[in-house]
Parts: sequence; C-alpha cells; structure tokens
Amino acid sequence: GENVEQHPSTLSVQEGDSAVIKCTYSDSASNYFPWYKQELGKGPQLIIDIRSNVGEKKDQRIAVTLNKTAKHFSLHITETQPEDSAVYFCAANRDDKIIFGKGTRLHILP
Amino acid sequence: GAGVSQTPSNKVTEKGKYVELRCDPISGHTALYWYRQSLGQGPEFLIYFQGTGAADDSGLPNDRFFAVRPEGSVSTLKIQRTERGDSAVYLCASSLNLGAQETQYFGPGTRLLVL
Repeated sequence: GENVEQHPSTLSVQEGDSAVIKCTYSDSASNYFPWYKQELGKGPQLIIDIRSNVGEKKDQRIAVTLNKTAKHFSLHITETQPEDSAVYFCAANRDDKIIFGKGTRLHILP
Repeated sequence: GAGVSQTPSNKVTEKGKYVELRCDPISGHTALYWYRQSLGQGPEFLIYFQGTGAADDSGLPNDRFFAVRPEGSVSTLKIQRTERGDSAVYLCASSLNLGAQETQYFGPGTRLLVL
C-alpha cells in the first residue's frame, strides 16, 4: 500500500524567508498529491494540490513541485508570514483514499 | 453554508465504556470520511461512505469500531469497550463526490480521552 514520508518534522524560518517541505511516496499508481495546513485545535485545510500530469503549480506565495520518476514532491512557501505558522501535511492518494505524511511543524520566527 | 461540524468537541470516558461520535457533513456532500489522528501524527484513514453505504472500511482497526450513515447525511462513529489506546482526535471530512481528487473539507475533530 501507499507510504508517504515527510521531512523535516520541525522547521523554523525567519519571517520573510522561504520554507521548503519535502515528501516521498511509494505507490507509482498515486496520481493526486494534496497539501493540508492544520492550525491548533482545527481540522486540516487543503491549501494546494497537484496532479500527476503536471510538474509544478503555484498559488500566490505557495508552490508545489512533483517529480513522478523519483516519487518526490515538495511544498515551497515564499515570503513567510507569522500566520504561516502551523503543521503542514503532504498526502497522496491510494485509490479513493488519502494517505497522509506525519506532518511538519513550521515556526515563523519574528 | 456551514462547514463540517463534529460533536462532542471533547469526550472523556473510562476504559470499557461505549462512545458515539457524531459528524454533520456539508449539505449536499455525498462522500464522508472518518480519520483518527494521534498526537504528532497525520490523519489515519478509518472508513468512508458514499451515500448511505460504507464504500471502504479497511482502516477500522478492529471490530470494536463501527460507523453508520443511515440517511446519507449525518454519520456516527461508534466505539465499543474503549481502550486507552483509542485516545486520539477523530476527524470527519466530507466531499461533494467520492474520489481522491475531490477536495475533502474537515471538521474540527472530537478529542477522545479514555482513562
């Protein structure tokens, strides 16, 4: 079955700098890769996703890249702001299910 | 309209007791998912429904866990003979249609503590 590995588990960046979170997946049949942001006491919220027919997608300060050959995908946040502090999860589909990574706790330092 | 709601927000119970956790999906969403999230981990799939039927319950850890969605809207996750290891946040999500590429909207979760 699908296995999603995510790193780092914790990331601290200075406000205004960029943050990068990396994930790998194991199932070559996976074709959908969403990213979720979870704030304290709340459920995860989809922030961006990418499908296997594209290599990169951007939405304002957030971008995702996908390398299907290497089974790697990454989240890039530029010009980080205090409100970006949260836990971020990468995920990949296995049939109609979503398999999540273990999360990255992102701290934005003032 | 309103998002996914879950009740109760917190539940404390004793080992061996029975609990029910409720999920109200977004109106009109046909697919409903249950996940369990342990501390420091990502959500772990339990079961999903398309309409009233459980389309995939392969994530339920054992037969103490059961979920229903009798009218294709509200769902209840039922846990019998609770164990301390069942302590976690139970998340519900819904999507307009079934499919991994459908955006899932999550509720805030129910925090279950088994003493």
